[in-house]
Amino acid sequence: DGGITQSPKYLFRKEGQNVTLSCEQNLNHDAMYWYRQDPGQGLRLIYYSQIVNDFQKGDIAEGYSVSREKKESFPLTVTSAQKNPTAFYLCASRDRDNEQFFGPGTRLTVL
Amino acid sequence: AQSVTQLGSHVSVSEGALVLLRCNYSSSVPPYLFWYVQYPNQGLQLLLKYTTGATLVKGINGFEAEFKKSETSFHLTKPSAHMSDAAEYFCAVSHGSGNTGKLIFGQGTTLQVKP
Repeated sequence: DGGITQSPKYLFRKEGQNVTLSCEQNLNHDAMYWYRQDPGQGLRLIYYSQIVNDFQKGDIAEGYSVSREKKESFPLTVTSAQKNPTAFYLCASRDRDNEQFFGPGTRLTVL
Repeated sequence: AQSVTQLGSHVSVSEGALVLLRCNYSSSVPPYLFWYVQYPNQGLQLLLKYTTGATLVKGINGFEAEFKKSETSFHLTKPSAHMSDAAEYFCAVSHGSGNTGKLIFGQGTTLQVKP
């Protein structure tokens, strides 16, 4: 089955730690996106990548980093510089008709 | 700049009643418009989308939406609510084809369906 997988489903981070969230897709999509979701704020774009080895900052990129070494993979690192990282993180990829397909999400909690 | 406003963060309807979730957008170029649904602790699922052509768009689970350019609206409707429709709904806008495909989301509307 084609789709997007995110792991882990739940992640706990201590203060000062970096953590990496995984996002993999087998839909053969060029473009991939990371969103952050907080209650009552909808989804906000962190980073996006339109092609392998290229990515751009979204609206709230501070404290986050990404890489795009393979078409299938777009991992997100939440660094210690992100002061309020507790949130639900969603990864998506986009097809040629401009439709975005979402993964199941990772819930990150800072202890 | 593009933006999306969803009127009403919570909407409550009785089972069998009409569902109406409101969405207004602003865009300087012809928009692509989307409605997504999210169940608790899950990702988003596309309900329907408008790109070009017919302004009345039919989606999954009996939902439909009408693009009204003069009103800059894309309201979501369903004639008869079912208990399984209880979820959070997001309206989103992006530029047309040939762009980055970034989606701008509204703040979401939580739909409650009462028995």
